[in-house]
Amino acid sequence: EIVMTQSPATLSVSPGERATLSCRASQSVSSKLAWYQQKPGQAPRLLIYGASTRATGIPARFSGSGSGTEFTLTISSLQSEDFALYYCQHYNNWPLTFGGGTKVEIK
Amino acid sequence: QVQLVESGGGVVQPEGSLRLSCAASGFAFSSYGMHWVRQAPGKGLEWVAFIRSDGSKKYYADSVKGRFTISRDNSENTLYLQMNSLRAEDTAVYYCAKDPTVGGTLDYWGQGTLVTVSS
Repeated sequence: EIVMTQSPATLSVSPGERATLSCRASQSVSSKLAWYQQKPGQAPRLLIYGASTRATGIPARFSGSGSGTEFTLTISSLQSEDFALYYCQHYNNWPLTFGGGTKVEIK
Repeated sequence: QVQLVESGGGVVQPEGSLRLSCAASGFAFSSYGMHWVRQAPGKGLEWVAFIRSDGSKKYYADSVKGRFTISRDNSENTLYLQMNSLRAEDTAVYYCAKDPTVGGTLDYWGQGTLVTVSS
């Protein structure tokens, strides 16, 4: 099983600032990496797939990069609605696994 | 628009059984693979199971293998999760989710149904 590790666990950022979230895989997952956003009491929402492709309707301030074992989700200028939990997930093989999440909170 | 509505959650005793359903609408259900993902209270996401569009292939997390069975009825646009030999650690919100490719990403999610395993 591929272990996904996200850092930091919590990121404190001021509105308008840039946020950089990291995700590391225990072995290469090529570019088979997705990012999700989850707000309290809501289901997750797909943000990024293929490591860098934005899902339908996702604003351009969200961008993903990386391949192999190291990945990054960048939110270029945080809006109030972006404060949430973010999860990475690989889909290179079975079983699918998620990272433990990064909480982006208001500084 | 795509809609996924889970049902069937509730309180069940340890070693009991429960069947979850996920009613799909707004897309060609029979053309897409489907997943179950769970989230224990205050915890992260855990993938549970996947079934191909025609039901020909199924995959499970080790934590549920041999106890849970994923299935689907394409004539009824419904996904199922039969859960047997339930344990306290199975307590979670269970989400169904649509897969736009094959065993890849999860592009639409339901709102979830809570399963509580407790005596």
